[in-house]
Formats: sequence, structure tokens, C-alpha cells
Amino acid sequence: DAGVIQSPRHEVTEMGQEVTLRCKPISGHNSLFWYRQTMMRGLELLIYFNNNVPIDDSGMPEDRFSAKMPNASFSTLKIQPSEPRDSAVYFCASSTETQQGLWYEQYFGPGTRLTVT
Amino acid sequence: GQQLNQSPQSMFIQEGEDVSMNCTSSSIFNTWLWYKQDPGEGPVLLIALYKAGELTSNGRLTAQFGITRKDSFLNISASIPSDVGIYFCAGQLTSGTYKYIFGTGTRLKVLA
Repeated sequence: DAGVIQSPRHEVTEMGQEVTLRCKPISGHNSLFWYRQTMMRGLELLIYFNNNVPIDDSGMPEDRFSAKMPNASFSTLKIQPSEPRDSAVYFCASSTETQQGLWYEQYFGPGTRLTVT
Repeated sequence: GQQLNQSPQSMFIQEGEDVSMNCTSSSIFNTWLWYKQDPGEGPVLLIALYKAGELTSNGRLTAQFGITRKDSFLNISASIPSDVGIYFCAGQLTSGTYKYIFGTGTRLKVLA
């Protein structure tokens, strides 16, 4: 089975430019998560979707960040305008919620390494 | 963001040695996950633990859910060079919720 797919794997952009990161979750999973990983702060949850609906965006750093999930197989994380401090590795993860309303393991994609100069 | 205390932060070991690492917290957790992250890749799930006291193995890896539910341990037996990487624990604070708190990571280096 294909795992979580992310693109691009690497992105280098100049400050002020718009950046769009893409994610395809594991087929059949109904929950999708965007994380950011840095040396200083480790893995941070940015936003969580369930059945394509954003449930918790409390981790989104500021209004420059936005995320969408137009359908069950695709999500985007957009940064506009980008700043050097946004440089990090961004991971998408997916999971499934059982009928009993329980979540179990999260499976991560390979990540997008973003460098903003 | 909130993180779990994970130790040791890093370790160098000889090939063939056993490795132990742990995650501790002042909070009670309902689920523990252990991940391994290779350079340039995403975390890969190794073991999931759901009950206090549970002991689960995956090949040379064994993980335990602490009885107090405030800690978890990961052991690797007979380490090999490909065990190199960063190991993360992740704890689920509230049963059945989507939110996991991640450990600070243990960086493992194996000397051949």
C-alpha cells in the first residue's frame, strides 16, 4: 500500500514568496495532520482535519499559514508570505477514526524540507 | 509546544550491544507510540502500546507501557548499523483523541 505522499520533498524560496505544500493521505484514512519539525521545538502539530473538515488549527503559527482539504485524498498547507523563520521540515500524517470515535496510530509522510532565504 | 522528556538525548554504542531509552512525564498517558526517523525521512511507526504494563515486541525491538502510565521504554537488542537514527516516543494524553505529544528524541549512533 502507498503511504502518505508529500510534495515537493524540498523547496527553496525567497522571503515574501508564497509556498504551497501538498499531501495525499493513506487511502481510507479519515484524519489528516500537518506537523512542523525544527531542532528547537521538535515536532509541533499545526492543524488537524477530520473527514476533510478542519477541527483544530490552534497550532497554526499565524495568519500567514493556511491549510485546506478539498477532498479525502488531498490537502495543502500554504504560507503567504513566507519568512526565513518558517524554514523547517513540514510533515503530513494520516490516521483513521474508528466508529467508536477513537484514533489510533498516525502514519507520517516523508516530509517537505522548506528553506526560506 | 508541549514535549515529553526523552532520554538519553543521544548515544553511541558498539554494534551488537543492547540499547535502552525511555520517555517520562508528569502526566498520565493512554497510548504510547514509538517512531524511528532516518535522516531526510519522516518518522516511521515501530510499536504501539495501549495498556499499562503492556510489553510488545517488533523483531529486535521491545517496548513497554509503564505501570504508572507516565512513562514508556524502548529496548533494541543486538544493535546493527542500520539502527542509526532518531527515536521518538509519542504519548496520547486523552484516550481516543487525535492529539499526541512527542518526545524530544534519542539520537542513536552505532559504531561498527
